Amino acid sequence: AQTVTQSQPEMSVQEAETVTLSCTYDTSESNYYLFWYKQPPSRQMILVIRQEAYKQQNATENRFSVNFQKAAKSFSLKISDSQLGDTAMYFCAYLHGGSNYKLTFGKGTLLTVNP
Amino acid sequence: DAGITQSPRYKITETGRQVTLMCHQTWSHSYMFWYRQDLGHGLRLIYYSAAADITDKGEVPDGYVVSRSKTENFPLTLESATRSQTSVYFCASSESRATGNQPQHFGDGTRLSIL
Repeated sequence: AQTVTQSQPEMSVQEAETVTLSCTYDTSESNYYLFWYKQPPSRQMILVIRQEAYKQQNATENRFSVNFQKAAKSFSLKISDSQLGDTAMYFCAYLHGGSNYKLTFGKGTLLTVNP
Repeated sequence: DAGITQSPRYKITETGRQVTLMCHQTWSHSYMFWYRQDLGHGLRLIYYSAAADITDKGEVPDGYVVSRSKTENFPLTLESATRSQTSVYFCASSESRATGNQPQHFGDGTRLSIL
């Protein structure tokens, strides 16, 4: 079974600085997708960024980028120019690329951006 | 409004009672999911549905029942609620694509407390 591990339960960063959240996963599949979801205090689950395993290029969405190391099974999220609104729980998630659409989530990292 | 709607947003009930959480989506997505979110566990899949009248168990299905008579609705029922089912419940949906490269869209969650 696939597992997703987020080794940092909590992190903090100063406003305008850069922070990296770690995620590792375990799978024997070659076709899969990885996601980062953000959950602010409002409790919504918001998709931040996604990465297809077959793509070598790291995904980027504005201030958010990933470092995808397929051989190491690592998928870290970098947030540049951190803003107070980035304060949230961040979840890493894995999706098998076949007919199985079940997401497997990590336990989350609580990120606090300090003014 | 288009999107995915969960109701109620908050619910308090007693052990042994039956309670149903509602989920409605307006995108005509084929796939729908129910997750529960608990501290220290992240999100765990309870049940999912690939289409109307097709459902399957996830990671933690015991004590829950689902149905999918219409594509847009996916209710989750706790037939005899227990305190261990106190949690935040999220419904999600996604399109059916062969690549699986479609993110899941989440509702705003239902906070369920069982006394």
